[in-house]
Parts: sequence; structure tokens; C-alpha cells
Amino acid sequence: DVKVTQSSRYLVKRTGEKVFLECVQDMDHENMFWYRQDPGLGLRLIYFSYDVKMKEKGDIPEGYSVSREKKERFSLILESASTNQTSMYLCASRPYYQPQHFGDGTRLSIL
Amino acid sequence: DQQVKQNSPSLSVQEGRISILNCDYTNSMFDYFLWYKKYPAEGPTFLISISSIKDKNEDGRFTVFLNKSAKHLSLHIVPSQPGDSAVYFCAASAGRGSTLGRLYFGRGTQLTVWP
Repeated sequence: DVKVTQSSRYLVKRTGEKVFLECVQDMDHENMFWYRQDPGLGLRLIYFSYDVKMKEKGDIPEGYSVSREKKERFSLILESASTNQTSMYLCASRPYYQPQHFGDGTRLSIL
Repeated sequence: DQQVKQNSPSLSVQEGRISILNCDYTNSMFDYFLWYKKYPAEGPTFLISISSIKDKNEDGRFTVFLNKSAKHLSLHIVPSQPGDSAVYFCAASAGRGSTLGRLYFGRGTQLTVWP
């Protein structure tokens, strides 16, 4: 069974802090994704990666960066956290020709 | 601009009845469509999908219908159960064989099934 693990379920940070959200998958998937989910806005793609050290901007990359140094790990970085980045963050991975599998999410609050 | 639209933010259905969730898309390059279900405090889970070469796909109580000419798909749940109460997301991609696998999601429909 596919396992996508996000390092924290809940996180509280302060404005201006640099925040790291970690995601690990155990199935050797090439593609990995970061989304945020906000009420009434659905799932919006922040960044995705189709291989190690590769990254592509999604629809809302401003204020975020990503890192993929190893195939199993995809990190989302908030360079200088702001209150409008308070959200549910979801990581997903997928092998070729298969649907994306999601982690359980990180509820991030920026105070 | 949203390429996948779910125009009903909520739907309320009695247990045992049919639930019909609708989704429209604008990009004619989309050729693979999925439905995900999401409970609070959990990640979305894949429910059912359909390729553009088909117009119907069935899996137990869940059936997805695709009308390519109308750029419309729907998810039917029969019979609906209280455990089906969740947010349902419609998603689409262009090129199922693409190595990128990027999905475009709708905003979701909250389904409530009451006893």
C-alpha cells in the first residue's frame, strides 16, 4: 500500500519565519506535488517535481520554494511566512499512469 | 481561470437515494478524469476515474459518466450512505501517459447524506 507521510499534522509559526514542510513517499514514485487547500478554493497546486532536483511551478508558487534532493523526499519551504499562508498543505505522489496518492496534510497556522 | 468547475458547493441527500455530483471542464485537451473523496483532517483519497475513450465507468456503488461534447462529467452514488458524507473533488489531466501527471482540481462539493 502506498504511504505518503507528511512530517507534521499541525504546525504553528510566526510571521517572517522560514518554514519547512516535509513529505516522504515509500514507493519510488517519480512525480511529487504540493497543494494547499482553502475553504471554497479547492486544491491549488503550488509546485511539483517529476524527478530528483527537478521542479516546476504550479498555479500559486509565490512565496514558496521546494527542494527535491532525494527521490523519496519533497520539501516545501515558506521563505518568510505570512498570515495569508495559513492553510492546509497537502503532499501527493504518483507513479506513471496511476492516480496521485495524498498524505494526510499539515494544518499550518501563521501568527 | 478555472479549467475544472464544480458549481454546487454542497449537496444534501437522504440515505438510500442517489447522489449526483457534477463537474464541468473547459480544456478540450483533458483526456483523463478522476474523482477524489476527502474527509476532514485527512488527505483526499482516489475514488474512481474515467478515460476520454469511455463514457461510463462503474465501481460498486460509484459510477462516473463522461459527456465529451458537453465537457461535463458526473459522479453517481447509489445507494447513498451516511459514510459517503465528505467533500468530493473532480480532477482532470491532459495526457494520461504524461510523465508530469499534473491534475487540475475543481473547488469541491460537500456531500451530506442524512438518515
